[in-house]
Amino acid sequence: GENVEQHPSTLSVQEGDSAVIKCTYSDSASNYFPWYKQELGKRPQLIIDIRSNVGEKKDQRIAVTLNKTAKHFSLHITETQPEDSAVYFCAASRPPGGQNFVFGPGTRLSVLP
Amino acid sequence: DADVTQTPRNRITKTGKRIMLECSQTKGHDRMYWYRQDPGLGLRLIYYSFDVKDINKGEISDGYSVSRQAQAKFSLSLESAIPNQTALYFCATSDSTAYGYTFGSGTRLTVV
Repeated sequence: GENVEQHPSTLSVQEGDSAVIKCTYSDSASNYFPWYKQELGKRPQLIIDIRSNVGEKKDQRIAVTLNKTAKHFSLHITETQPEDSAVYFCAASRPPGGQNFVFGPGTRLSVLP
Repeated sequence: DADVTQTPRNRITKTGKRIMLECSQTKGHDRMYWYRQDPGLGLRLIYYSFDVKDINKGEISDGYSVSRQAQAKFSLSLESAIPNQTALYFCATSDSTAYGYTFGSGTRLTVV
């Protein structure tokens, strides 16, 4: 089955700096890679996703890159702000009609003022 | 707004008791899931259901059971709760394309 690893487990950055979180997956059939943000005491919410037919996707200050050959994908946050502080989860899956998401263990990001 | 609602939000129960966590959704999604969240372990799948007549075990189903009462309702039961089932439980839904989950607000369960 799929196995998703995520690094680092904790990350502290100064406000305005960039943050990068990396995930690797094991199942070469996985073709959909979402990222979820979970603020303290709240539910995980989808912030960006990428499908295996593209290598990069951007949405304002966040971007995700995918390297299918190496089976890894990364979340990039630029110009970090205090409200970016949260736990971030990556996941991999094989929709549509396929398997369910397998989540990474999460990265706790702290943006220091 | 269409949403995923979990009840209760918090629950403390004693070892050996039976407890049910409930999830209802107004998103019209076919697929529903129960996940457990523990610090440092991420979200682990307990059970999932692709429609009312479909129930499937996830990676950590032992000690749990589920019921899909309707398209909009999916309940998780702990038949005899034990302390290592203390965790944050999330229900999630998705449509048939399964591109992206919507999570409920979570149930924090403590077994003493």
